[in-house]
Amino acid sequence: DVKVTQSSRYLVKRTGEKVFLECVQDMDHENMFWYRQDPGLGLRLIYFSYDVKMKEKGDIPEGYSVSREKKERFSLILESASTNQTSMYLCASSPNRVYEQYFGPGTRLTVT
Amino acid sequence: GDSVTQMEGPVTLSEEAFLTINCTYTATGYPSLFWYVQYPGEGLQLLLKATKADDKGSNKGFEATYRKETTSFHLEKGSVQVSDSAVYFCALISSNTGNQFYFGTGTSLTVIP
Repeated sequence: DVKVTQSSRYLVKRTGEKVFLECVQDMDHENMFWYRQDPGLGLRLIYFSYDVKMKEKGDIPEGYSVSREKKERFSLILESASTNQTSMYLCASSPNRVYEQYFGPGTRLTVT
Repeated sequence: GDSVTQMEGPVTLSEEAFLTINCTYTATGYPSLFWYVQYPGEGLQLLLKATKADDKGSNKGFEATYRKETTSFHLEKGSVQVSDSAVYFCALISSNTGNQFYFGTGTSLTVIP
């Protein structure tokens, strides 16, 4: 079974802090994705990566950056956390661009 | 651009009731369509999918048929259980959108005994 893990289930940070969210997949998938999930808005794509050291902006990249130094790991970085970044963050991976995505359990981030 | 619209929730049903969650899509190409389910406190799991017109996806008693003429992919189940309580997301992926996934806003289902 594909397993996507995220470093924390719950995280509380202060405004202005630098925040790292880590995602690891164990199925040698090429593609990895970061979404945020908010009530009434569904899932919105922040960034994605089709290969190591490659990244592409999604629909809402402002205030975020990503890093993919190894194939299995995709990190989301909030350079200076703000309260409007309080959300559920979901990581996903897929073996191919047209295949279904496999999701991690999510990290609920609260910025105070 | 491509998009997915699904019915607003929340939906509350009694156990053994019939479920329909409507989903319609807009796409310029020939998308693949998916239903994902999110149980409380968990990430999304693929429930079923269909990759071309008239395909029927099915899993765990849930079904959805890819209807090109009505641009729809409605989710149905004949008899829901309490364990089906979750949030359901319709989604599409299309080569015309650079193979990016588009998700609906989700429909929350609560099944009461």
